[in-house]
Amino acid sequence: QVQLVESGGGVVQPGRSLRLSCAASRFTFSSYGIHWVRQAPGKGLEWVAVISNDGNRKYYADSVKGRFTIARDNSKNTVYLQMNSLRAEDTAVYYCAFSYGHLLDSWGQGTLVTISS
Amino acid sequence: AIQMTQSPSSLSASVGDRVIITCRASQGIRNDLFWYQQKPGKAPNLLIYGASNLYGGVPSRFSGSGSGTDFTLTISSLQPEDFATYYCLQDFNYPITFGPGTKVHIK
Repeated sequence: QVQLVESGGGVVQPGRSLRLSCAASRFTFSSYGIHWVRQAPGKGLEWVAVISNDGNRKYYADSVKGRFTIARDNSKNTVYLQMNSLRAEDTAVYYCAFSYGHLLDSWGQGTLVTISS
Repeated sequence: AIQMTQSPSSLSASVGDRVIITCRASQGIRNDLFWYQQKPGKAPNLLIYGASNLYGGVPSRFSGSGSGTDFTLTISSLQPEDFATYYCLQDFNYPITFGPGTKVHIK
């Protein structure tokens, strides 16, 4: 069973930074692109970013472009989401996910990020 | 970015009812449309890929149709475990975008 485990969430003040991690296991990590998707409390799903299997291609949602950076370390089977200049509206559960067989068919359990002063 | 809309935003239905949820894209997306089910506190689960293909393990009461800009998700006979929120998603191009969701309530 493929596994993704997010970590790094917590409470952060507006304007500060936070780095999330997504650790993968039980599949050939370096063969797959990895996505981040978030969900604000009581709200819908919002796609955030994706990184290709080799790290050379990255795409972002307009709402985070210029503030968030996605990166990966294939030697550690881990994807990172560096979040800078955080805003209250970035408060959400952040999921990492990938397309094992079909688009976004495998997800982690999520990590909660709360932006509050 | 491609905008996705869904209707209705919520609905009340009884066990055994036929439920239809619609999703519309702001521009043509071929059949690059996916449907997900999400229950409270859980990650979403893929139901339908490529607009009309049932993902492995998903009950056959779920079906999808459509192409271009208009799509539907049909639950032929609603079961107790189907009360959840349903999202469409397009990956025709980046940024990938989700619909706002349709919450299916128990009547």
